[in-house]
Amino acid sequence: SQQGEEDPQALSIQEGENATMNCSYKTSINNLQWYRQNSGRGLVHLILIRSNEREKHSGRLRVTLDTSKKSSSLLITASRAADTASYFCATDAVARGGYQKVTFGIGTKLQVIP
Amino acid sequence: EPEVTQTPSHQVTQMGQEVILRCVPISNHLYFYWYRQILGQKVEFLVSFYNNEISEKSEIFDDQFSVERPDGSNFTLKIRSTKLEDSAMYFCASKERGFFNEQFFGPGTRLTVL
Repeated sequence: SQQGEEDPQALSIQEGENATMNCSYKTSINNLQWYRQNSGRGLVHLILIRSNEREKHSGRLRVTLDTSKKSSSLLITASRAADTASYFCATDAVARGGYQKVTFGIGTKLQVIP
Repeated sequence: EPEVTQTPSHQVTQMGQEVILRCVPISNHLYFYWYRQILGQKVEFLVSFYNNEISEKSEIFDDQFSVERPDGSNFTLKIRSTKLEDSAMYFCASKERGFFNEQFFGPGTRLTVL
């Protein structure tokens, strides 16, 4: 699998339900970030979790990180139609030469049905 | 809140023409990045820039591409002779010093090569 690979690739839920998206990665990381992208638009940063953190909350978002399994999950509680978007995880690792590089996954397309 | 800006929002060009995409990173940031996203695909890293030089580049970033920070505030991506397959959304990002800091993304420039 690729660095920062999300599953499922598509998720359709009813408004009010919770949405869980998972991300797996291969190499050691400094941070893992989740971004949202509405169709054809820019990237909106949602949350950053550091490699020494296990869980982080921001409003209706909850992110977990398991560095032993090299995986992360994003939970959106009480989903709304406005949450419909693509969600990407992005791993931030030290690249060749000591500089950082962010690698994005292929994303999960979330559809929240009103 | 400070933000990364990009101009133009949409650029249409003929194959073989040169284009320059412009970005104004957040003023106290030290690391600068370009990414691209072909329609329907994931965000791909192109290049990172620090201390007035390229620190890392991907295999996509060939001799047709160049970056510059001409005046201490702008950060530009030049494509010398555009190809049809260069059509994509191009995102600029910037970051403060430190491994645990997030990259802030601009809204993107949609490049269409005809």
